[in-house]
Amino acid sequence: RKEVEQDPGPFNVPEGATVAFNCTYSNSASQSFFWYRQDCRKEPKLLMSVYSSGNEDGRFTAQLNRASQYISLLIRDSKLSDSATYLCVVNMRTGGFKTIFGAGTRLFVKA
Amino acid sequence: GAVVSQHPSWVICKSGTSVKIECRSLDFQATTMFWYRQFPKQSLMLMATSNEGSKATYEQGVEKDKFLINHASLTLSTLTVTSAHPEDSSFYICSARDGQMNTEAFFGQGTRLTVV
Repeated sequence: RKEVEQDPGPFNVPEGATVAFNCTYSNSASQSFFWYRQDCRKEPKLLMSVYSSGNEDGRFTAQLNRASQYISLLIRDSKLSDSATYLCVVNMRTGGFKTIFGAGTRLFVKA
Repeated sequence: GAVVSQHPSWVICKSGTSVKIECRSLDFQATTMFWYRQFPKQSLMLMATSNEGSKATYEQGVEKDKFLINHASLTLSTLTVTSAHPEDSSFYICSARDGQMNTEAFFGQGTRLTVV
């Protein structure tokens, strides 16, 4: 089983739609969590950190469920510019530090 | 935010030659650096993790003698692709983070390697 798993998609949604991505992680030693965004042929960039209490940044809401080892990202009122690959990222301590990326979920927002 | 600079951004080399890619953290001490490879339309694949002053830890299936990683200082890590072949053509990305568990990793701009 992969350490971090995501639905690869693609998700094809119209502008204005609400879309949710899920991510599960297998290592209970995982300690911090992030969502990154990667545009085609570019490096990933941090979208937001994920806190236990859940957090919101404009149209984006991230949630963490430690008991179920599950992270989510909700995008409301999708824009064309939201089209990208969204990567779930987990920092864990397994001997040393490790940062593990999910395979990413591709989102296409269409007019 | 923190800045990680990766150089070169693209390189074309002949089969059999070696290519060195540099990754520098410009405004923080990068205790740990990661090297990833990404083939077209595929996800980032972790190749190795390096901690300053110690040997890199390679992921399963990554040849340590082919992909030489050096992390000699808290601001610089290098990846050398030795005896490159066309199948090594890929997008290589480094990321760096400090020693705190709750901080995010920052990425270099990536290096597009083409071996001809």
